[in-house]
Amino acid sequence: AQKITQTQPGMFVQEKEAVTLDCTYDTSDPSYGLFWYKQPSSGEMIFLIYQGSYDQQNATEGRYSLNFQKARKSANLVISASQLGDSAMYFCAMREGQGNTGNQFYFGTGTSLTVIP
Amino acid sequence: EAGVTQFPSHSVIEKGQTVTLRCDPISGHDNLYWYRRVMGKEIKFLLHFVKESKQDESGMPNNRFLAERTGGTYSTLKVQPAELEDSGVYFCASSHGFGRKANYGYTFGSGTRLTVV
Repeated sequence: AQKITQTQPGMFVQEKEAVTLDCTYDTSDPSYGLFWYKQPSSGEMIFLIYQGSYDQQNATEGRYSLNFQKARKSANLVISASQLGDSAMYFCAMREGQGNTGNQFYFGTGTSLTVIP
Repeated sequence: EAGVTQFPSHSVIEKGQTVTLRCDPISGHDNLYWYRRVMGKEIKFLLHFVKESKQDESGMPNNRFLAERTGGTYSTLKVQPAELEDSGVYFCASSHGFGRKANYGYTFGSGTRLTVV
């Protein structure tokens, strides 16, 4: 079974608008971490935001926020005030066993975001 | 600090040939990971080193793949003989320690794009 599901292969957003990238996850481990990474055309994977399964509040990092709905097992990324430089592939990922960096990441298939001027 | 370095950035080889990918992690990072993304699919875990030891190699697709990490520093991933289905982007990542803060220390390289023709 797929651990991470990203149902939007491609998304378009007008510059300065907000956009939500969807991610649902599947785990029976009560302890886990959720991540979003950005992959621009240059290829590197850039860490954006992290949410722990026990965190009470939604994570925020500048223009990025993570809409964490634990009961629905969703971890959507919200990008506010989109910029042209936000055009990239975005990956949602999960690691089971919060705080233990020894466990592998499970990734989704990614969402390609294009910001339109 | 220098990031995770991978080379070559691109490699095109013929079916049946051998290719060796290299990853230099961030200095001092004990954990080193290899991941692979086949076009259009999710990024999948291959294996995990802690220093020079293989902690988890459950994601290695078959015995044509051999990973080493000499002296707990850089790592190589050799594919011999390469097959068409081995084409994809191979990512390396490194991290250090445990605990919540370590979640932010998981750094990816820019990947090696391997094309087998």
